[in-house]
Amino acid sequence: GESVGLHLPTLSVQEGDNSIINCAYSNSASDYFIWYKQESGKGPQFIIDIRSNMDKRQGQRVTVLLNKTVKHLSLQIAATQPGDSAVYFCAETQTGANNLFFGTGTRLTVIP
Amino acid sequence: EPEVTQTPSHQVTQMGQEVILRCVPISNHLYFYWYRQILGQKVEFLVSFYNNEISEKSEIFDDQFSVERPDGSNFTLKIRSTKLEDSAMYFCASSFQGQGNEQFFGPGTRLTVL
Repeated sequence: GESVGLHLPTLSVQEGDNSIINCAYSNSASDYFIWYKQESGKGPQFIIDIRSNMDKRQGQRVTVLLNKTVKHLSLQIAATQPGDSAVYFCAETQTGANNLFFGTGTRLTVIP
Repeated sequence: EPEVTQTPSHQVTQMGQEVILRCVPISNHLYFYWYRQILGQKVEFLVSFYNNEISEKSEIFDDQFSVERPDGSNFTLKIRSTKLEDSAMYFCASSFQGQGNEQFFGPGTRLTVL
């Protein structure tokens, strides 16, 4: 039978440009957020996390911004490289819970 | 760098058969998880496990599913009677702490039910 999957949002950027990937989370009680990168055929790989007592956190070439008012999370990748091409998921959870709720993902394609 | 490992990488089974998916979490981690990802869809939580018991499970994790930590290193997911819709990637994850802390994922097992 035909399988129905989600149509992933896509983002194409030129190598060297900055990328911004957005995510709207669903639960206002969530207080811990993670961005994962998933390359084809592999498991999700941790990129960066942020807790709700912060609105910005920086890592190496990546920055996560959290806007709790509108339940929005973004991932900024500086100087995007071909190796950054992957699907990026945001995930949310809350203190006291052991599960992660993943968003639908965004496919990032870096054009050399 | 320590990592979560999973075996097999690909499992093909007939509908109605039992399958066991195996995971070796990171050695000093205390919390273990199973997630699944149907092709083209988002990653979905199945179950979390701590101190030799299930701490949380989703609606997907029905009576056909079970988890076990048979020894000090392995963590398994059993599906008793597989259905076509169980075909998916199954990811194991582990974390040192639970309740909102970083989870490390394995490479996944692709389960195909025919």
